[in-house]
Parts: sequence; structure tokens; C-alpha cells
Amino acid sequence: KNEVEQSPQNLTAQEGEFITINCSYSVGISALHWLQQHPGGGIVSLFMLSSGKKKHGRLIATINIQEKHSSLHITASHPRDSAVYICAVRSEETSGSRLTFGEGTQLTVNP
Amino acid sequence: ETGVTQTPRHLVMGMTNKKSLKCEQHLGHNAMYWYKQSAKKPLELMFVYNFKEQTENNSVPSRFSPECPNSSHLFLHLHTLQPEDSALYLCASSQVGHQETQYFGPGTRLLVL
Repeated sequence: KNEVEQSPQNLTAQEGEFITINCSYSVGISALHWLQQHPGGGIVSLFMLSSGKKKHGRLIATINIQEKHSSLHITASHPRDSAVYICAVRSEETSGSRLTFGEGTQLTVNP
Repeated sequence: ETGVTQTPRHLVMGMTNKKSLKCEQHLGHNAMYWYKQSAKKPLELMFVYNFKEQTENNSVPSRFSPECPNSSHLFLHLHTLQPEDSALYLCASSQVGHQETQYFGPGTRLLVL
């Protein structure tokens, strides 16, 4: 079992829909990251969270440290949001900059 | 554009070839990373360099040899690879400190024949 589990693995939505991607982890963490990977491979960091909630444009990320759970929400989804969304955590127990990654959620938004 | 560049973007090589992947960061960061991304698997950390010193080697086979001549450049030297080494190889950089964000390059898609 991975230390970081994401759900769903695949998600298809219609343009304009509200989207939620979930991430659960099993270790104590110092930070959680949400990343976006477009076709072709490049990865962009969306959020880094250690508590509470962050918002950037149509993207909202929340984290519940007690429940070891984070969600990434996309409001008014658009076809250009189609990408793989990856959750990654920095464990309290490991030194340095090591991140542990989830397998990713493939999001497809249809026009 | 994340400030991290990788060359080449695509590479096809035979099992007996020797090739090198290059990564350069223009962000003034002091840590650099190599990751491997295979189909349907999470990103796997391969190597970490802090201040040009290798601080992590995640049990990577010796046919992968990293080199970090300075804090802006990172190489991955490849020799006698296997077909199962075909993957996307991603470089990232960060500023070492509390909860730093990693910035990723576009990756090199490698095919080993």
C-alpha cells in the first residue's frame, strides 16, 4: 500500500462542473503538495499546504491534518484543466527534501 | 516556463550506447533532483544533490551515474541501459529550507531499444 493514495484514478467531467480530487496519506507530514502534469510531461507546483486552505484562481486546496486527508477542488472546470494531478507529501520522519508521491489522478474535461 | 530546462527532450538509445541527460536551473536554488516516471507508477526519486553534494541515492542501479558540477547544473550519465529503463526522467530544483517547493523541468522521454 502506498503511503499516499489518490482518488479517483481517472475522472471525466463536462466543462463547467465542480471537480474534487482526494488524497489520503498514512504518515505524519510537514507539508503536502499538489502538482499538475500536462501531456508532454512538465510538472507545475500548484499548492503547498501544511494546514487549512489555499485558493488560487479557480483552484482550492484544503487539508485536514487530523484525518490525514487533502482535497483539490476545481470550480467552473475548463478543457484546459485536463491534466494529471499529483499529490505529494513530505514526511516528518524523513530528512531533507524527499517527497512521496501519489499515483496521480487523470482529469479530462470535455467541452 | 519553470526556470528548469532539460535536454534532450526525447532520446532513443540502444542497450550498448552511452548518453547523458542534462538539467540546468536558472532559479539560484541549491538543491537538485532526478526523478523517474514510468507508466502507471508514481514518481520515483533517484538522486538528490544539496550544495553539489549527493545526499540521497535511492538504490539506483549503477548504470545510472549522476554528476553535479555546480549548483546550477545536473547530469545523468546513462550506460548499458535495459528496455525497462524506458521512462520519463524529470529534473527538479529547490531552495533548501523549511517546506521548500520543487520546480520541475519538462523531462526527457527515454526509449531504450
